[in-house]
Amino acid sequence: DAKTTQPPSMDCAEGRAANLPCNHSTISGNEYVYWYRQIHSQGPQYIIHGLKNNETNEMASLIITEDRKSSTLILPHATLRDTAVYYCIVRVPNTGNQFYFGTGTSLTVIP
Amino acid sequence: GAVVSQHPSRVICKSGTSVKIECRSLDFQATTMFWYRQFPKQSLMLMATSNEGSKATYEQGVEKDKFLINHASLTLSTLTVTSAHPEDSSFYICSASDLADRYGYTFGSGTRLTVV
Repeated sequence: DAKTTQPPSMDCAEGRAANLPCNHSTISGNEYVYWYRQIHSQGPQYIIHGLKNNETNEMASLIITEDRKSSTLILPHATLRDTAVYYCIVRVPNTGNQFYFGTGTSLTVIP
Repeated sequence: GAVVSQHPSRVICKSGTSVKIECRSLDFQATTMFWYRQFPKQSLMLMATSNEGSKATYEQGVEKDKFLINHASLTLSTLTVTSAHPEDSSFYICSASDLADRYGYTFGSGTRLTVV
């Protein structure tokens, strides 16, 4: 699976949009971009995933650049409960293969 | 959605004893489960891939005789830390996927192991 690069930490004001970037310049054509987050002392939680089109669900939006070499996770109205480590992972689905976690971005939502 | 239950959530054991951690898929069958370990302020590190009915596949540097994995059914995988030592103290997390792989993998809530 391709490697990803994320900033180690970010702050966001409560109520504002949090935009978390991820670089995956070596992504291959059949790899999807997945986002998970991990709140302290809990297991990772699925947020969203996509291949090349932008995706939106009740938690977040995922914007993938046209060349697919980077993406941005958007939390439209960050709350204090969104404080967590966010992981961007690229992977080919339906192959039974593993998720390899990078270092992620530690997002702190500030009151 | 898919739910993975992990038990116990916390365990303290004496050095030299063994500890078993269970990982169950509650509403789906998982032919493959994964075990991760996470040290404080670090990312998740994959330890092994647990395959139902066959031997687990371990990542490089993970001792298979120390971390025994059993995946005897499509809904249960267990990790046994044998002869635990203080350096084995860590956060252990399992994950599994439903057959449709709709959301990637679902993760358990983790087990905090402290060896004293």
